[in-house]
Amino acid sequence: GAVVSQHPSWVICKSGTSVKIECRSLDFQATTMFWYRQFPKQSLMLMATSNEGSKATYEQGVEKDKFLINHASLTLSTLTVTSAHPEDSSFYICSARGRVRGSNEQYFGPGTRLTVT
Amino acid sequence: GEDVEQSLFLSVREGDSSVINCTYTDSSSTYLYWYKQEPGAGLQLLTYIFSNMDMKQDQRLTVLLNKKDKHLSLRIADTQTGDSAIYFCAETLSGNTPLVFGKGTRLSVIA
Repeated sequence: GAVVSQHPSWVICKSGTSVKIECRSLDFQATTMFWYRQFPKQSLMLMATSNEGSKATYEQGVEKDKFLINHASLTLSTLTVTSAHPEDSSFYICSARGRVRGSNEQYFGPGTRLTVT
Repeated sequence: GEDVEQSLFLSVREGDSSVINCTYTDSSSTYLYWYKQEPGAGLQLLTYIFSNMDMKQDQRLTVLLNKKDKHLSLRIADTQTGDSAIYFCAETLSGNTPLVFGKGTRLSVIA
């Protein structure tokens, strides 16, 4: 099946620093990438949708200046958490949508656990 | 707006069948999915069904869709301990719109 990778798989950073998370579609071209946030024992909350080469569309309540999303190519999107604070600690999951074996499915990365101390 | 509801917990004995239920509110939903999430991991697509189908079977998995009642279920036959995970139901209107997820059902399989 289609593979989506994320890097890093976990990161610990100090409050006030910025963290970049990469999401790559390894064997298909992702026309659309999505970034989700998951709190412990909760569902996935969509943060933003991005199409290659255009600005991301953020969901209501998500600060676009804090969560910078770049979708520079059909295989790479990055999420940068700027000036991270402990409340930003969470599990961040990206997903990529593209044409795989004739269907337009959404495939998920393994997630990145961010801990801000 | 769109909403997807699931029961939060299900416990079954190894070898029994598990049935995880989901209801959704948007009658325009076109694609309905089941994802599995193991601890500390991302989501794995298990199966999906188009809204013009009533049933789909894939090995031990059977998906039933009652479009009139907006009810979706996932049946896992011969449930194994490796099936213990959180199962998310999700729906979307089209191939270009984001998925809307339920809160997930935590399946515990007792040996």
